[in-house]
Amino acid sequence: EIVMTQSPATLSVSPGERATLSCRASQSVSTNLAWYQQKPGQAPRLLMYSASIRATGIPPRFSGSGSGTEFTLTISSLQSEDFAVYYCQQYDTWPPAYTFGQGTKLEIK
Amino acid sequence: DVQLVESGGGLVKPGQSLRLSCAASGFTLKTYSMNWVRQAPGKGLEWVSSISTSSSAIFYAESLKGRFTISRDNAKNSLYLQMSSLRADDTAVYYCARDRGDSSLDLWGQGTLVTVSS
Repeated sequence: EIVMTQSPATLSVSPGERATLSCRASQSVSTNLAWYQQKPGQAPRLLMYSASIRATGIPPRFSGSGSGTEFTLTISSLQSEDFAVYYCQQYDTWPPAYTFGQGTKLEIK
Repeated sequence: DVQLVESGGGLVKPGQSLRLSCAASGFTLKTYSMNWVRQAPGKGLEWVSSISTSSSAIFYAESLKGRFTISRDNAKNSLYLQMSSLRADDTAVYYCARDRGDSSLDLWGQGTLVTVSS
């Protein structure tokens, strides 16, 4: 099983500042990586796929990068609605055995 | 509106069974592979199972094989998860989620809570 490790577990950032979230895979997943945002009491929402492509309707302040085992989600200027938990997910394995990271909670500083 | 709506969750005793449903609207379910993902209270996301458009390819998380069965009825625009021999650690919100086509999940339902407790 590919283990996804996110860091930090909690990130405190002020509105308007930049946030950088990390995700590491225990083995290469190429660019078969997605990022999701989840707010309390809500379902996850797809932000990025193929490591760096924004999903439909996602604002350009969100960007993703990386390949292989190291990935980053960057939010360039935090808005109040961006404070949430973020998960990465690898979908490289066949047969499917998709795995998620444990999440990074982005909180207001 | 394009949406997925889960139903069928509830409180069951250990060892019992439960069938979850997921109704799709606003799009044609038969053109998408579908998944179930669960989230235990206060915990992260765990992929459960996926099913291809024609049900010809079905996959499960290794830890769940033999107890859970995924199925779909494209004519009814519906996805199902039959769960048996339920245990306390199966307690979670169960989400159905649409495969964008590359195995990222671009549409999620609101989830249905399954509680396994005596």
